Amino acid sequence: TQLLEQSPQFLSIQEGENLTVYCNSSSVFSSLQWYRQEPGEGPVLLVTVVTGGEVKKLKRLTFQFGDARKDSSLHITAAQPGDTGLYLCAGAPDNYGQNFVFGPGTRLSVLP
Amino acid sequence: GAGVSQTPSNKVTEKGKYVELRCDPISGHTALYWYRQSLGQGPEFLIYFQGTGAADDSGLPNDRFFAVRPEGSVSTLKIQRTERGDSAVYLCASSTGLPYNEQFFGPGTRLTVL
Repeated sequence: TQLLEQSPQFLSIQEGENLTVYCNSSSVFSSLQWYRQEPGEGPVLLVTVVTGGEVKKLKRLTFQFGDARKDSSLHITAAQPGDTGLYLCAGAPDNYGQNFVFGPGTRLSVLP
Repeated sequence: GAGVSQTPSNKVTEKGKYVELRCDPISGHTALYWYRQSLGQGPEFLIYFQGTGAADDSGLPNDRFFAVRPEGSVSTLKIQRTERGDSAVYLCASSTGLPYNEQFFGPGTRLTVL
């Protein structure tokens, strides 16, 4: 069974600070997606990373896929209150199956 | 354009009852997923449809859970003899399937079994 762990579980920071959250597994994934979810809503896709070592930037967010495709990180620069939410990573199995595995999420709170 | 819609938004039922949850995917999306999300957890995969067929139902917890997508568009998740442990938010997502099955989620149905 493939599992994804995320850390930290909770993070509360002041506006303008930088932060990094992590997504780790002992399993290899063919691709990994990051989502943000707000209360009462479904997750919204932020990015998909596919190649080991890949780095993608989305404005103030930087995503990296580990060389071995087992882990990923999300770095936010100069966090803003609008970044508040639950950040989820989801891995597609290495056999290109569709039974995506989600981590438990990191709940981020950015205080003004 | 219209996103993924799910109905009802909330469903309260009694233990032992039957419930149906509906998902309307984005038009033209061939792939459809059902997930269950418990409080404080990430979504848990239940089933994946490609067109009309259930391509992977490995996440359905037991035979009380069943899902259909008869015309390759709308899907219904059916739960028989509901139990209190079935209480959760049930999320639906759709995707074009290409290139990396990037999923668009609906708002979910919150199911409460009393």
